[in-house]
Amino acid sequence: QQPVQSPQAVILREGEDAVINCSSSKALYSVHWYRQKHGEAPVFLMILLKGGEQKGHDKISASFNEKKQQSSLYLTASQLSYSGTYFCGTSGAYNTDKLIFGTGTRLQVFP
Amino acid sequence: NAGVTQTPKFQVLKTGQSMTLQCAQDMNHEYMSWYRQDPGMGLRLIHYSVGAGITDQGEVPNGYNVSRSTTEDFPLRLLSAAPSQTSVYFCASSYSNDGPYNSPLHFGNGTRLTVT
Repeated sequence: QQPVQSPQAVILREGEDAVINCSSSKALYSVHWYRQKHGEAPVFLMILLKGGEQKGHDKISASFNEKKQQSSLYLTASQLSYSGTYFCGTSGAYNTDKLIFGTGTRLQVFP
Repeated sequence: NAGVTQTPKFQVLKTGQSMTLQCAQDMNHEYMSWYRQDPGMGLRLIHYSVGAGITDQGEVPNGYNVSRSTTEDFPLRLLSAAPSQTSVYFCASSYSNDGPYNSPLHFGNGTRLTVT
């Protein structure tokens, strides 16, 4: 079952912040985040593992709440280059050999 | 290193035709997978493999076959193409033979398939 992402779309001005959420109805073991530019392949951002710490990558960070089966991606002081579609991918405790993606959140950053 | 290479980049098929989408990686990754991407549906897992000789079904396997005779190659076969298989297909690999839960997926550039 696909994880649910919210919101479906976000429009920002440069310098604004955004949060993208990913939730699952099943117990999670890991959460991945990817960004896809139009017409290109998805590109890996970060992985969060059960029991792991919050991760950060420049001004993009993420958290993983195992009890709530949720992850959030935080984009701080957004740049034009952040535009694209963000996907979370989840792996369950009993299905670590599958990565199931959400339907994506489209982020547009304007000057 | 080329990474993950998919061929062809574009393909048009008639209903009922068969074809094979090719995927090769030169990173010695054990894990390989195929996803399809449709508007509003995100990426959906078709088939995957945790190593040579081992394959398994994903979320949407019907109408597709795979085999993994070598570590490098993971072709996806459409047995009898249908318009519902019109999509963008991505091959992805990761180094762990436990599955991608703890290692990043590296994606190919995709194959855009149209079935008329």
